[in-house]
Amino acid sequence: AQTVTQSQPEMSVQEAETVTLSCTYDTSENNYYLFWYKQPPSRQMILVIRQEAYKQQNATENRFSVNFQKAAKSFSLKISDSQLGDTAMYFCAFMKLTSGSRLTFGEGTQLTVNP
Amino acid sequence: DSGVTQTPKHLITATGQRVTLRCSPRSGDLSVYWYQQSLDQGLQFLIQYYNGEERAKGNILERFSAQQFPDLHSELNLSSLELGDSALYFCASSVGSGGVGDTQYFGPGTRLTVL
Repeated sequence: AQTVTQSQPEMSVQEAETVTLSCTYDTSENNYYLFWYKQPPSRQMILVIRQEAYKQQNATENRFSVNFQKAAKSFSLKISDSQLGDTAMYFCAFMKLTSGSRLTFGEGTQLTVNP
Repeated sequence: DSGVTQTPKHLITATGQRVTLRCSPRSGDLSVYWYQQSLDQGLQFLIQYYNGEERAKGNILERFSAQQFPDLHSELNLSSLELGDSALYFCASSVGSGGVGDTQYFGPGTRLTVL
């Protein structure tokens, strides 16, 4: 079974600064996807970024980028130029690349962006 | 807006009752996933349907059941409700059944309160 661990329950950052959220996972699979989802106060689950394990290049989406270290089973999210709207709970998630695959989520990191 | 719709948004009911949650996937998506988010259990996968057939099962109680209809909408039935069933129930959808290229997009959730 897969496990996902987010060791930072809460973090805060000043507006316009950069913050990195950590995630580690445990799996014996070789092919998988990793995701970051954000859950703002509205409780909607919003996809932030996706990383394919077979790609060495780190994924980026505008101000969001990841540092994917496959050997270390580490998958951190970097948010640059933080904005007030980035305040949310951030979940790291793992998905095997097999039919019938589900997302396995970490416990989440509550990020607060301060003005 | 992810394109996934869920009704109702809120549901308040009593212990022992039965409720039905409804989900319509994004246009073109064949898979529907159900997740439960509670304070003590975090985000947990319940069940997946792909094109009308059950494809994967997670930590779903025997009191809970689901189905996917020919028009691809899905319903999650919760019966003999207990206080501990109070949670946010998410539906997600994806194009395929969980393989390469698949990404799950979440609906806004149904908040269930059992009194």
